[in-house]
Amino acid sequence: DVKVTQSSRYLVKRTGEKVFLECVQDMDHENMFWYRQDPGLGLRLIYFSYDVKMKEKGDIPEGYSVSREKKERFSLILESASTNQTSMYLCASSLFQRGNEKLFFGSGTQLSVL
Amino acid sequence: AQKITQTQPGMFVQEKEAVTLDCTYDTSDPSYGLFWYKQPSSGEMIFLIYQGSYDQQNATEGRYSLNFQKARKSANLVISASQLGDSAMYFCAMREKSGGSYIPTFGRGTSLIVHP
Repeated sequence: DVKVTQSSRYLVKRTGEKVFLECVQDMDHENMFWYRQDPGLGLRLIYFSYDVKMKEKGDIPEGYSVSREKKERFSLILESASTNQTSMYLCASSLFQRGNEKLFFGSGTQLSVL
Repeated sequence: AQKITQTQPGMFVQEKEAVTLDCTYDTSDPSYGLFWYKQPSSGEMIFLIYQGSYDQQNATEGRYSLNFQKARKSANLVISASQLGDSAMYFCAMREKSGGSYIPTFGRGTSLIVHP
């Protein structure tokens, strides 16, 4: 079975802490994405990567950074967590192939910043 | 401007009836793709159906069909014979080419409740 694994289901952090959210996929997908999901706002793209060491900003990159040192792993970093970053974070991966770009999602990380 | 618009925050349907969830999109990419995902209360994102911009026929997957009207930039999801387990959030998404990759953008979602 194909799998996208996010390291934590629930996370509680303090304001100002550095936070790492990890995502690993076992499908050899080129593309990986980080979204945040807030009620009424849907899924908003934070960052994406289409290759190792490549990263591109999404719609809401402020306050976040990413790292992709290996093809299977894509990390989201909150340099200094703030309360407005309390949200559900979803990682996804897909092939780079027109007509076959179905996203595979992880189970999400609910982050609370106090 | 939003690339994906879902105008129905919430929908109600009686079990066994059909329901249509609306989605309109905006893109200048001639080669785009449209998706629908379901998110039950468990939080997992479940892929339902895909339609490519060059596909001549409307996509169907079991009880799900996509009513693709290209000129209207509309990609509505039709669920036939609703079941209680269809109660969930439904997201419309579009992928378009951006730089070196295909980027999916999601709508705000529609909450569907199926009544017995």
